[in-house]
Amino acid sequence: AQKITQTQPGMFVQEKEAVTLDCTYDTSDPSYGLFWYKQPSSGEMIFLIYQGSYDQQNATEGRYSLNFQKARKSANLVISASQLGDSAMYFCAMRVTVSGGYNKLIFGAGTRLAVHP
Amino acid sequence: DAGVIQSPRHEVTEMGQEVTLRCKPISGHDYLFWYRQTMMRGLELLIYFNNNVPIDDSGMPEDRFSAKMPNASFSTLKIQPSEPRDSAVYFCASSSQGQETQYFGPGTRLLVL
Repeated sequence: AQKITQTQPGMFVQEKEAVTLDCTYDTSDPSYGLFWYKQPSSGEMIFLIYQGSYDQQNATEGRYSLNFQKARKSANLVISASQLGDSAMYFCAMRVTVSGGYNKLIFGAGTRLAVHP
Repeated sequence: DAGVIQSPRHEVTEMGQEVTLRCKPISGHDYLFWYRQTMMRGLELLIYFNNNVPIDDSGMPEDRFSAKMPNASFSTLKIQPSEPRDSAVYFCASSSQGQETQYFGPGTRLLVL
C-alpha cells in the first residue's frame, strides 16, 4: 500500500536552532516524488521543497533541506535557523502514479511546529 | 503571477442548501485537483481533472458531491444538499504536465449549520 507516515504530531524548537521533521513513506513504484508543504494558521498550503526518487542529491531550498534516505524510505525536512514565522503545520506528501499513468498526491497527517523565542 | 484563485473564501450555509465552490487554476496548468481537509481525516483528494476531463473521482464522498470543469480556467465543486458533516476546508490545486508540484489555492472554509 502507498502511504505517508508522520509520527510527530507536534514539535517545538528554539528560535535560530535547527529542527528535523520526520516523514517515512511506503511505495513499490520505482518512480515517485516527495514534497513538503507548510500550512500556517491562516490556512493556505505553501509548497516548500521537492525530491524526486532518482535525484542523487538531497534537495535544498534556502533554509529548507530534504534529508532523503531511499533505503530507509525516509524524507525528513530540516529547517535551519528557525524563525518565529516557521510556526505552522507541515505536511509530507508523495506523488504516486495511478492507472492510466496519471499522478496524484497522498499526504501525511502533518506535524505542528512551534518556534519559541 | 496570479496563483490559484478560489471563491468564496468563507461560506456559511444551512443544512439542505446547495453550495457551489469555485476555482480558477494557474494559467497554463492542465491538471486541477479538489481536496477536502478536516481534523478527523486530514487532506483527502476528492477529484482531479486533466485537460478539463475528470480522471479520478473515487474520492468524492457521495452523490451529493459533483464537480465540473467547463473550460481550462474554471472549475466548480457543488454540494447538494449540504449536510453538517460537509463542514471542512476545500482546496483547489493545479499543476502542469511534466511538473511535479501542485500549487494550492487559499481554500474555502465551509460551515454547514
